[in-house]
Amino acid sequence: DADVTQTPRNRITKTGKRIMLECSQTKGHDRMYWYRQDPGLGLRLIYYSFDVKDINKGEISDGYSVSRQAQAKFSLSLESAIPNQTALYFCATSDSAGSGELFFGEGSRLTVL
Amino acid sequence: GQSLEQPSEVTAVEGAIVQINCTYQTSGFYGLSWYQQHDGGAPTFLSYNALDGLEETGRFSSFLSRSDSYGYLLLQELQMKDSASYFCAVKGFQKLVFGTGTRLLVSP
Repeated sequence: DADVTQTPRNRITKTGKRIMLECSQTKGHDRMYWYRQDPGLGLRLIYYSFDVKDINKGEISDGYSVSRQAQAKFSLSLESAIPNQTALYFCATSDSAGSGELFFGEGSRLTVL
Repeated sequence: GQSLEQPSEVTAVEGAIVQINCTYQTSGFYGLSWYQQHDGGAPTFLSYNALDGLEETGRFSSFLSRSDSYGYLLLQELQMKDSASYFCAVKGFQKLVFGTGTRLLVSP
């Protein structure tokens, strides 16, 4: 089993719908992240969390919200999806040692029609 | 804020050596990471430089010059499987900020 698991892997939805992407990890890491990837734009940070009581906005948090339900679970929500949120979303984890290493999930491809 | 620049695409042939450069501007710098991503896959960690100098891991090496705000990833003895996108990422106070990626195409 993967250390960082994202569900769903693929989702097609319509404008205005609420969508939740879920991430769970078995690495025992405290730090979890949500990134968005668009062609030519690299990976952009949406939100990050250093423990269950800690939530921080990243570069592009508008239109998104997150919930850290447990050390191992970090979910990303789009309250009212719009077409320009069509992208590949990655969850990642890291330990607190500061090694610069993130462990990524396999990604969730979201299409908003 | 932070910004990173890296070439959008690099091409090379099998067996060759290729260098992917990364320059950055940041208000807080702890280190520079490199990641590899194959089409359809997740980014995977290659290396991290917190101090100036060269770090070698097998065929891949990474270099950092903090005074020049510059680093590079060196790939030796290129193989077809090295065709992928490569991202540099600056580690700031609490987060990692990624460059836009360099697509490496390795031809026979």
